[in-house]
Amino acid sequence: QKEVEQNSGPLSVPEGAIASLNCTYSDRGSQSFFWYRQYSGKSPELIMFIYSNGDKEDGRFTAQLNKASQYVSLLIRDSQPSDSATYLCAVNGGVHTDKLIFGTGTRLQVFP
Amino acid sequence: GAGVSQTPSNKVTEKGKYVELRCDPISGHTALYWYRQSLGQGPEFLIYFQGTGAADDSGLPNDRFFAVRPEGSVSTLKIQRTERGDSAVYLCASSPTRGDTQYFGPGTRLTVL
Repeated sequence: QKEVEQNSGPLSVPEGAIASLNCTYSDRGSQSFFWYRQYSGKSPELIMFIYSNGDKEDGRFTAQLNKASQYVSLLIRDSQPSDSATYLCAVNGGVHTDKLIFGTGTRLQVFP
Repeated sequence: GAGVSQTPSNKVTEKGKYVELRCDPISGHTALYWYRQSLGQGPEFLIYFQGTGAADDSGLPNDRFFAVRPEGSVSTLKIQRTERGDSAVYLCASSPTRGDTQYFGPGTRLTVL
């Protein structure tokens, strides 16, 4: 069973702090890794994707990938109340398919 | 440009009925994906199309579920003899081609009474 694991939270951080969201995956064949943000009652919205080991930065967001440890994370700097949402980690299902396997999501709460 | 659109936004039906859910992908996107999401869970893969053909239907839970994409654009997810356990938000996503980033539509909330 290919799995993606996330802590369901909630993760509570004060405004302006760094939020760190973590995800582990079981399939070593996975090539692509995605972070989606989902507001309550809305559909997932892509935040970042990463394919290579290391860090990838986009504005206040940094994705980190460690394939040896099968670990991917998302850092949100200068967290804002508008960042409060559920963050979904998704991993492609292997080399022979393009389906995404999602974790259950981590709920982030940023308080003023 | 326009994003992925899904109709209807909400569908309430009775147990045993047949339903069709429609997805209109982003123009020019050749890959189309169906997922469903239950409360408190991440999206669960159902099926995806590359062009008109189903490239992977391994997520369809049983033979009551079927999807088509006859002209390589709009797709319809069909559910026969609906059960209460089918209640969920059905999400459609499209990508420019296989392996590219998937962009999600607003979803159809299906409620089976």
